[in-house]
Amino acid sequence: GAVVSQHPSWVICKSGTSVKIECRSLDFQATTMFWYRQFPKQSLMLMATSNEGSKATYEQGVEKDKFLINHASLTLSTLTVTSAHPEDSSFYICSASPGLADSYEQYFGPGTRLTVT
Amino acid sequence: QKEVEQNSGPLSVPEGAIASLNCTYSDRGSQSFFWYRQYSGKSPELIMFIYSNGDKEDGRFTAQLNKASQYVSLLIRDSQPSDSATYLCAVNGGTYKYIFGTGTRLKVLA
Repeated sequence: GAVVSQHPSWVICKSGTSVKIECRSLDFQATTMFWYRQFPKQSLMLMATSNEGSKATYEQGVEKDKFLINHASLTLSTLTVTSAHPEDSSFYICSASPGLADSYEQYFGPGTRLTVT
Repeated sequence: QKEVEQNSGPLSVPEGAIASLNCTYSDRGSQSFFWYRQYSGKSPELIMFIYSNGDKEDGRFTAQLNKASQYVSLLIRDSQPSDSATYLCAVNGGTYKYIFGTGTRLKVLA
């Protein structure tokens, strides 16, 4: 149980284009989903928290107009990197939480490796 | 500033030994504690979580929590080379948002 998928697993795009990454909870409903970014040999950096049906909450320093997050259903959240630049190249990982009472586990998707050329 | 600290390692242990990974946290209000394993180039995988003081065992893994001293540890018994990975400690204060440590790199030597 508690499986989270991400698509695509890797993507190469040209500078200035937009890329959409999907995150799905496959066997549970996710009240809350999270988007992280991880650079090589560094820890996870939380970008934003999304709750189904409401606007995402972005962490300080993360541009909400550049990283568009939509949490349209209890099993799907999307991250769109708009006007991507080489410095946006990173490993993007989503996680989902079942949101059970007193249970705060997050289950991570396999990640999406983005390379902007 | 709420912090979670881990020794970056690498922590090297021989195969079959017990690996002990430690994590300290600054927020006394923290309620839930999680250990994740992350292989190079992969996403984190939840190993265990613990809410109450004391020990919690799951197979070869034991999580230990001491809220008075503000530390949580993970013991891996009978360590295997496949356990070689980075272990992330995560803490939250009763919400869904985590504070992650920077991780400890474990190397199990065959």
